[in-house]
Amino acid sequence: EEQLLESGGHVVQPGGSLRLSCAASGFTFSTYVMTWVRQAPGKGLEWVSTISTNGGTTYYADSVKGRFTISRDNSKSTLWLQMNSLRAEDTAVYFCAKGRIRGEDFWGQGTLVTVSS
Amino acid sequence: QSALTQPPSASGSPGQSVTISCTGSSSDVGGYNFVSWHQQHPGKAPKLIIYEVTKRPSGVPDRFSGSKSGSTASLTVSGLQAEDEADYYCSSYGGSNNFRIFGGGTKLTVL
Repeated sequence: EEQLLESGGHVVQPGGSLRLSCAASGFTFSTYVMTWVRQAPGKGLEWVSTISTNGGTTYYADSVKGRFTISRDNSKSTLWLQMNSLRAEDTAVYFCAKGRIRGEDFWGQGTLVTVSS
Repeated sequence: QSALTQPPSASGSPGQSVTISCTGSSSDVGGYNFVSWHQQHPGKAPKLIIYEVTKRPSGVPDRFSGSKSGSTASLTVSGLQAEDEADYYCSSYGGSNNFRIFGGGTKLTVL
């Protein structure tokens, strides 16, 4: 059974940093593109970042470029999102998802990040 | 990086059909057959229901179908059931400069 378990969500002050993790199981992690998508309270889904199967290529939304870094360790079946210079507008539930270039095919349950003083 | 355009709401009675549109551009929806649709119930994770415009993952009822014309994709839910009441999001591949784009979401109400 496929599983994606996000962790690391927390309350952090503006300007602070946070690192989210996503532990994968039940599928061959190294063969899937991995993506972070966020959802602000009461709002829609917003793509954040995607990483290729071997980690060699990364993509970012303009809203997080230069502040967030996506990475993965295929030997540990784990995905990360390092978030720096956090702003109030980064407050959201962050989902990790597995998929292909064509799209995401399975989602984790999400972890809540709150940026507030 | 503009979002794809979806109607904010849609509704139908049990047994009826409803269609939700998703409009993009030639750089995303119109340029690739990589449109997906995701269903999200309140407080839950999204779930893939359509990929590559028309394909259904295993286990998704055939009441759900997808199509595309030009830069507009559509999701049709036939034979509406109470459990279909949820938020629906389209997404598309947008090329290497805009890898993934989501629609704003459509809240489907079963009357």
